[in-house]
Amino acid sequence: GNSVTQMEGPVTLSEEAFLTINCTYTATGYPSLFWYVQYPGEGLQLLLKATKADDKGSNKGFEATYRKETTSFHLEKGSVQVSDSAVYFCALSRGSGGGADGLTFGKGTHLIIQP
Amino acid sequence: DAGITQSPRHKVTETGTPVTLRCHQTENHRYMYWYRQDPGHGLRLIHYSYGVKDTDKGEVSDGYSVSRSKTEDFLLTLESATSSQTSVYFCAISESPPNGQYFGEGSWLTVV
Repeated sequence: GNSVTQMEGPVTLSEEAFLTINCTYTATGYPSLFWYVQYPGEGLQLLLKATKADDKGSNKGFEATYRKETTSFHLEKGSVQVSDSAVYFCALSRGSGGGADGLTFGKGTHLIIQP
Repeated sequence: DAGITQSPRHKVTETGTPVTLRCHQTENHRYMYWYRQDPGHGLRLIHYSYGVKDTDKGEVSDGYSVSRSKTEDFLLTLESATSSQTSVYFCAISESPPNGQYFGEGSWLTVV
């Protein structure tokens, strides 16, 4: 089945630093790809998505590009803020239905931004 | 924010007792999901539903059952709770799965 590997961290950066969180996947067909963010004590929030190769998802200054040739979907942000401290999850659709039968998640990356 | 309510939000129960968690949505979305979140595992899919009375198993379904008798409610039942089912349970909904799922705030379950 489909699987996701992401750097686990914790990743500690200073405010205004450049962020990259790596995510690679194994899948048959053409899965949809997602990044979710989780703040302490809360549920997951959809951060961005991409549904086909070369799509770029973006939201709140975060970006990720669907790279089929390298099976990657790395999350980037040019200048992080303290408020970006959270756990970030990379996910992909389980089957060929774009996620109708659920998502497969990476283990999460804990991001800590220091002032 | 998507209208998703999970109940109870926190529960402590004893080994061997049945437990039911409820997910209620006000969005009229077709698809609903139950995941569990454990340290070092991310989220793992337990069961999902693609319509009223239409459900299927996810990757960690042993010891769990679900029911969906109406669009807005998706129930997760632990038939006989075990300590390994101590976890945080999240419900998610989706109208168009390629566009993502929207999550509830979670239910913290402790089995003692």
